[in-house]
Amino acid sequence: SYALTQPPSVSVSPGQTARITCSGDALSRQFTYWYRQKSGQAPSVVIYMDTERPSGIPERFSGFSSGTTVTLTISGVQAEDEAVYYCQSADFTGTYRVFGGGTKLTVL
Amino acid sequence: QVQLVQPESELRKPGASVRISCEASGYIFTSHPINWIRQAPGQGLEWMGWINTISGQSTFAQGLTGRYVFSLDTSVNTAYLQIDSLRTEDTGVYFCARYSISSPYYFDLWGQGTLVTVSS
Repeated sequence: SYALTQPPSVSVSPGQTARITCSGDALSRQFTYWYRQKSGQAPSVVIYMDTERPSGIPERFSGFSSGTTVTLTISGVQAEDEAVYYCQSADFTGTYRVFGGGTKLTVL
Repeated sequence: QVQLVQPESELRKPGASVRISCEASGYIFTSHPINWIRQAPGQGLEWMGWINTISGQSTFAQGLTGRYVFSLDTSVNTAYLQIDSLRTEDTGVYFCARYSISSPYYFDLWGQGTLVTVSS
């Protein structure tokens, strides 16, 4: 079945830029969404339709799409950004949703 | 307040069934389909499928066996996930999540999750 690939972990110091990638064969045809899950909480969306930020999400969160790889960038990382980030998209048909394996962002 | 409310936890023995509720409030229930997503202990998110809150039609993820049933009670704005013949490996947190109101659909509102523990 279709899968999205993320790095298991990314570590940055406060104030630095964190980049989390997500790869999948259908990403050039389907939008990607990014969800943040803090410990013990439900996930919530931070980027939708590849590049759009919902209201309430800081400008330091941005998304970029190029071919079959999409990237979530967090500029000026803060301690509160520590969480697991999941990309999510759909298969080629658009019928089935799929999540990446998740990337644990550690703020050193 | 716009929210999806789920029970905190359920405990069942292997072979039993469980029905998890997801009660919507603060919006028109039939305007948004409901998805179910599970998370095994210490693992990532797995999309299970969704139910059309108008027609009641369900779509399941590929590879999901016939042990799962999505249902609705629109009179109380509630969606349900039933899992039959429970196995220990069904232990995990089950989230309901609302699809956004228009395409392209994404999960714009989540319940807090129900921890299902299957243990003898």
